[in-house]
Amino acid sequence: EPEVTQTPSHQVTQMGQEVILRCVPISNHLYFYWYRQILGQKVEFLVSFYNNEISEKSEIFDDQFSVERPDGSNFTLKIRSTKLEDSAMYFCASTTGDRAYNEQFFGPGTRLTVL
Amino acid sequence: GQSLEQPSEVTAVEGAIVQINCTYQTSGFYGLSWYQQHDGGAPTFLSYNGLDGLEETGRFSSFLSRSDSYGYLLLQELQMKDSASYFCAVRYSNYQLIWGAGTKLIIKP
Repeated sequence: EPEVTQTPSHQVTQMGQEVILRCVPISNHLYFYWYRQILGQKVEFLVSFYNNEISEKSEIFDDQFSVERPDGSNFTLKIRSTKLEDSAMYFCASTTGDRAYNEQFFGPGTRLTVL
Repeated sequence: GQSLEQPSEVTAVEGAIVQINCTYQTSGFYGLSWYQQHDGGAPTFLSYNGLDGLEETGRFSSFLSRSDSYGYLLLQELQMKDSASYFCAVRYSNYQLIWGAGTKLIIKP
């Protein structure tokens, strides 16, 4: 069964460093998302991406964040200058066009630790 | 602001039925989703209600009352593998899901 994949599974970085989190959505999906989940807390929407542009973003998704789909398969989240409070699990998700909003398929996540 | 309320923890016995409630206050509403998350795992989709009423998928059912801003997830014939956290999430806009804090379901033999 097709699945969303994410790399790396765990990233440790120093405060102020740039990180890039990578995702490969399911191949026939058209809508892509990034979420974060601070340990033990709720999932928080960061950004949605469709047709090679951001369709919606939350207040969390400030100028330090950016997303890109550099080729036909990868979907990346970049954090330019990491802060301690960016430590969280970051999930990528994707959906098909016909059920875009209702059933999102999540990757296994990248645990980001900022020291 | 946007808020979703669900119990932080529910305990039930294997083989029993459990209901997890969710009330919401959001400025936009398209529908209510439920996701399951095992410890250390990714959320997995369980169900979606866009209209009032009951949706059934195997042992799981979900209900929505838009007039009451209320929904619930019903799990029947509980199995130990159902031990997980369950999140309700409002489809707030075309693309954005707003999530509740999650309900940890503890199942005892």
